[in-house]
This record gives sequence, C-alpha cells and structure tokens, in this order.
Amino acid sequence: DSGVTQTPKHLITATGQRVTLRCSPRSGDLSVYWYQQSLDQGLQFLIQYYNGEERAKGNILERFSAQQFPDLHSELNLSSLELGDSALYFCASSPTAGDFTDTQYFGPGTRLTVL
Amino acid sequence: AQSVSQHNHHVILSEAASLELGCNYSYGGTVNLFWYVQYPGQHLQLLLKYFSGDPLVKGIKGFEAEFIKSKFSFNLRKPSVQWSDTAEYFCAVNAGDSWGKLQFGAGTQVVVTP
Repeated sequence: DSGVTQTPKHLITATGQRVTLRCSPRSGDLSVYWYQQSLDQGLQFLIQYYNGEERAKGNILERFSAQQFPDLHSELNLSSLELGDSALYFCASSPTAGDFTDTQYFGPGTRLTVL
Repeated sequence: AQSVSQHNHHVILSEAASLELGCNYSYGGTVNLFWYVQYPGQHLQLLLKYFSGDPLVKGIKGFEAEFIKSKFSFNLRKPSVQWSDTAEYFCAVNAGDSWGKLQFGAGTQVVVTP
C-alpha cells in the first residue's frame, strides 16, 4: 500500500458524459500527478499539481481538467467522454514540486469504461 | 523530446532462471531512472531508482539495475526469479527539463512458469 488513495475503483459511463476521479496523496506529499494507462498509448503523463498550482502539463486533452484543493487532494474531470477515453487512470504523489531526488508513489488507479 | 525504450514486450521464463530486462533512454542531460512493477490487478510499485552515485542499484525483492551512462541504459536484473515475479515491468525516466514528468517505457510483461 503506497498511501495514495483513489476513488472510485471502477467507473462505467456512457459517451458524452462527464466524470470526476478523486485522488488523495500520501501524508506530507505536496505534488499530485495524473497518468493515463491504455493498451494503445501505454502509460502517459497527463498533468501535475504542486501545492494547489498547476506545475507541469503533458498529453492532456482539452476535455480533461484537474485541480488540487487546499487539503491537497486532487480531482481529474473528464468531460464529453469518448470510447477512446476508456483506460486506467493513475494518480501519484511526491513530497516536493518534482525536485531532482523526488520519487512518485502510485495509487491503485480508477478503471474507466466508456460505453 | 526524451523517450524510453524497453527491448522486450513479453518474456517467458521458468522459476530459478535469471532475468534481464533492457531499458534505453534518449536524453543527453542529467536523468533520474526508475523501475516500477505492476502485479496483475495492482498498482505500480517502485522497485528501485537511480539518482546519482554507484551505478549499480539494489532494489526490493532481489532486483538490481545497472546504469551505464555511455550506453544510455538502465537494465534490470534478478539472478533467480520466482513465480511471484510474474508482472509487468516499467522503466521510467525523468530529466532536467521537467523533473516532475515521468516518461515511461511501453512495459515488459514477464511470465514465470513453475
């Protein structure tokens, strides 16, 4: 158990819908990262938040957005869902902003199925 | 842009055999290197990491990895595998232009037969 929690574990929804995935980082960690794991794209970095502020952005679609709240939990919002958004979404956390010796610890993931 | 290549997509071996998984990256500057493991149905767990110093890094569960800077490689090894090592193994890199962003390889599915 890494100490990173994610809810829900599974999510099944329809195309066009909007969902919110939630992540709580390890105690003391200030950064939260979101990754998407799919069969065709592999593991891809989406976005990083550090202490409430967006820090780094990767291959995140405009239909997707994220935020980090004052208690440091983060939410990833996915809207206008398409079949291709079906994937495992991982959250990770680390102690700092992503400094040289930072290590990311991953949560159990949320499996999103879009029908 | 940096990239990470893992040489094998699938590896099948018997218990007690030795395992070596290749990982190469393309980035000329300072990098941090990681190996993560994903057991069936579970999340990514950190096996080991290299930041600096001794290029031979020891991790959990008997795994080790060697950083060879001249070859841009960070290969994972285990002298004698067990059935419980069946999992997917991911090499990951982050680099000086964006320390927070981990770039993952495609993963290697390892199946250990009894």
